[in-house]
Amino acid sequence: EAQVTQNPRYLITVTGKKLTVTCSQNMNHEYMSWYRQDPGLGLRQIYYSMNVEVTDKGDVPEGYKVSRKEKRNFPLILESPSPNQTSLYFCASSRVLNGRRYFGPGTRLTVT
Amino acid sequence: AQSVTQLGSHVSVSEGALVLLRCNYSSSVPPYLFWYVQYPNQGLQLLLKYTSAATLVKGINGFEAEFKKSETSFHLTKPSAHMSDAAEYFCAVSERGNTGKLIFGQGTTLQVKP
Repeated sequence: EAQVTQNPRYLITVTGKKLTVTCSQNMNHEYMSWYRQDPGLGLRQIYYSMNVEVTDKGDVPEGYKVSRKEKRNFPLILESPSPNQTSLYFCASSRVLNGRRYFGPGTRLTVT
Repeated sequence: AQSVTQLGSHVSVSEGALVLLRCNYSSSVPPYLFWYVQYPNQGLQLLLKYTSAATLVKGINGFEAEFKKSETSFHLTKPSAHMSDAAEYFCAVSERGNTGKLIFGQGTTLQVKP
């Protein structure tokens, strides 16, 4: 089954404790991206990647890092999480640049 | 910069009534346009996509949207609402070019009353 998986689905952590949210897709898609969803703001792009070893900042990259060492994986790293990063995070992939995005199920992160 | 506006953060309709969710974008060049739906505790699913072929786009679950360049709009409609249509709906715009950036509207929550 074609899908995007994210782990963990739920995470509660404390300020400053590094964490990684994994994202994996099994569709051989070149394009992957991370979004955060906040009430009243819709989804905002954090980072995106057009291919292995090619990443670029989206609209809200501050406080986040990503890497793309393999085509299927695109982890999101929070080196020092802060409470304003409490949000719902989605990973997405697409076969072509402006094509349909396939979204993961989301990761709800709470930073206390 | 490209922007997307969804008019109305909450829309409530009765079962069987027309659904109309509004979306306007700001672009001088017709972009790619999408509608996504998010059911509770799930990720987003594509409803339909406009890519410059027919201006009336049919999607899944009986939804359709019409691209109107003169109005820079891409409103989503469904003739008869079902209870299962209750969800949050997002309009999104992807600029033509080589960034692939997808810009989302704020979302509209659709409530369907029995």
